[in-house]
Amino acid sequence: GAVVSQHPSRVICKSGTSVKIECRSLDFQATTMFWYRQFPKQSLMLMATSNEGSKATYEQGVEKDKFLINHASLTLSTLTVTSAHPEDSSFYICSATRPQGRSYGYTFGSGTRLTVV
Amino acid sequence: DAKTTQPTSMDCAEGRAANLPCNHSTISGNEYVYWYRQIHSQGPQYIIHGLKNNETNEMASLIITEDRKSSTLILPHATLRDTAVYYCIVRSTQYGNKLVFGAGTILRVKS
Repeated sequence: GAVVSQHPSRVICKSGTSVKIECRSLDFQATTMFWYRQFPKQSLMLMATSNEGSKATYEQGVEKDKFLINHASLTLSTLTVTSAHPEDSSFYICSATRPQGRSYGYTFGSGTRLTVV
Repeated sequence: DAKTTQPTSMDCAEGRAANLPCNHSTISGNEYVYWYRQIHSQGPQYIIHGLKNNETNEMASLIITEDRKSSTLILPHATLRDTAVYYCIVRSTQYGNKLVFGAGTILRVKS
């Protein structure tokens, strides 16, 4: 159980275009979803926290107008990178969380490799 | 958020136990310790988590000191496929229960 599907796994886009990444929890309803970005040889950096039906909360330094997050249902969150530039090329990873006993379970997607040319 | 400190890298012989330490001296009483690992170009994989008692599952054991200021992840019989970056994370109980990743430990299992 607890599977998170992320799509697409790889995408190449031209500078100036927008790219949408989907994150779905397949067998559970996620109370919260998180979006991370990872540059080569670095750790995951949290970008934003997303709750169904409400606006996302962005970490300091992350441009909310550039990285649009929509969380329309308890099983789907999307990240849209708008007007992409080469410096946005990165590995984007989502995570979905649910209550698990007295704590929480966090399941990660397999990631999306974005290359902006 | 409680910060964690891990060694940058460790080596382990195949078949031996891998013991990965983590310091989290500023952890508060209701914050959990989570361990994940990441193999190159994949999403992080859950290993184990705990509050104050030692925990064991099919992948690993988690030993948390009595004062909760440090913990050790134990992979009982490391294989080459356990080569990965291992992250020790203290889950924030404020600001949306988010997981904030540190630098992690690169574990190299060698034959």
